[in-house]
Amino acid sequence: AQSVTQPDIHITVSEGASLELRCNYSYGATPYLFWYVQSPGQGLQLLLKYFSGDTLVQGIKGFEAEFKRSQSSFNLRKPSVHWSDAAEYFCAVGARSNTGKLIFGQGTTLQVKP
Amino acid sequence: GAVVSQHPSRVICKSGTSVKIECRSLDFQATTMFWYRQFPKQSLMLMATSNEGSKATYEQGVEKDKFLINHASLTLSTLTVTSAHPEDSSFYICSASAGISNQPQHFGDGTRLSIL
Repeated sequence: AQSVTQPDIHITVSEGASLELRCNYSYGATPYLFWYVQSPGQGLQLLLKYFSGDTLVQGIKGFEAEFKRSQSSFNLRKPSVHWSDAAEYFCAVGARSNTGKLIFGQGTTLQVKP
Repeated sequence: GAVVSQHPSRVICKSGTSVKIECRSLDFQATTMFWYRQFPKQSLMLMATSNEGSKATYEQGVEKDKFLINHASLTLSTLTVTSAHPEDSSFYICSASAGISNQPQHFGDGTRLSIL
């Protein structure tokens, strides 16, 4: 069955520290991969996506993610976290078909300490 | 970037009322729109997929007669919660895409529905 796992429900980091949010997926083939961020009471904003090619993808707000096929992972990273990065982060996978449907992970809440 | 507008952002109404939520893609043609429901501190649950000009495809367990979806144009989809009850209170989010799988979904800001 297709699934996405974000092992960390809640992460707290100090402002200026590096960040890595984990995402593992179970899928029959190479999926399309996405990271979204959600601020309280708002919709989701796309941070970055992987479709093919270079496995290290750059996104907005200084985020990057690396697709590792052997580990079925697509971890999100940022070298230096800002207080405004505090939010909910969702990893999602999409089928390489025409449905466009996404499967979301459970989400990781990021708290940033001053 | 692509912009999706969702309206209203918040609705409070009495039990038994029907509520319509609009989702508009402002700067691209959204062949496909998705409707999600999100419970507090949880992930998004896909309710249905709607393609312009055709009937929506509902996920298992979602009542079609309860959650009416219309996607009459390439820029507008509506979700109507019919005869809403307190258990329908939730955060509803729409997204839109150009309709092929390698195009990301762009999300609206969500609608907080509270049924008294």
